[in-house]
Amino acid sequence: SAVISQKPSRDICQRGTSLTIQCQVDSQVTMMFWYRQQPGQSLTLIATANQGSEATYESGFVIDKFPISRPNLTFSTLTVSNMSPEDSSIYLCSAAGGPQETQYFGPGTRLLVL
Amino acid sequence: GQSLEQPSEVTAVEGAIVQINCTYQTSGFYGLSWYQQHDGGAPTFLSYNALDGLEETGRFSSFLSRSDSYGYLLLQELQMKDSASYFCAVRPRVGGATNKLIFGTGTLLAVQP
Repeated sequence: SAVISQKPSRDICQRGTSLTIQCQVDSQVTMMFWYRQQPGQSLTLIATANQGSEATYESGFVIDKFPISRPNLTFSTLTVSNMSPEDSSIYLCSAAGGPQETQYFGPGTRLLVL
Repeated sequence: GQSLEQPSEVTAVEGAIVQINCTYQTSGFYGLSWYQQHDGGAPTFLSYNALDGLEETGRFSSFLSRSDSYGYLLLQELQMKDSASYFCAVRPRVGGATNKLIFGTGTLLAVQP
């Protein structure tokens, strides 16, 4: 299994600003992903972070709003740009590994936008 | 597209057995996974069904029937610590190999003494 850390663990931000969330995996993995989860709701995939190339975004998510970097096999960042209160959520990083490509999740970043 | 439906809440007592269902509409997928998430915690992997049938892992079992578009997670000998949200998820078979997961609506399990 992979151990995943994220930082910051939580933040309170003003609308119009941007926040970059970092995700570090303790081993090389093929795939990394970013999800959003509203309190009490399910997880929604934002994008697949591709190493050395542009991320693959899901419907409803765009690069200008959620730029993603993945400079190597163990690290990725997600930026939430020009934030509004609607961006208040938990942002989760995950990585896939093993023969069944099981996904392992980081502890999440709790974001509140005022 | 894909959609996976689960009951929103289930309540059971300690020591009992509970089944959490997952019905789905999807054009094709590699397998059905189950994740547990405690309040304020990260989702953790529980079980995976690549093929139809039952997979058993300790107190947890998971079942998949592709012909019925249906799966379930069975929790036996319930403990208070099993109180959590449970999510089914599929790896869609879309446009080549992909490892992304599409999650179900989630079920909040409350275990009572």
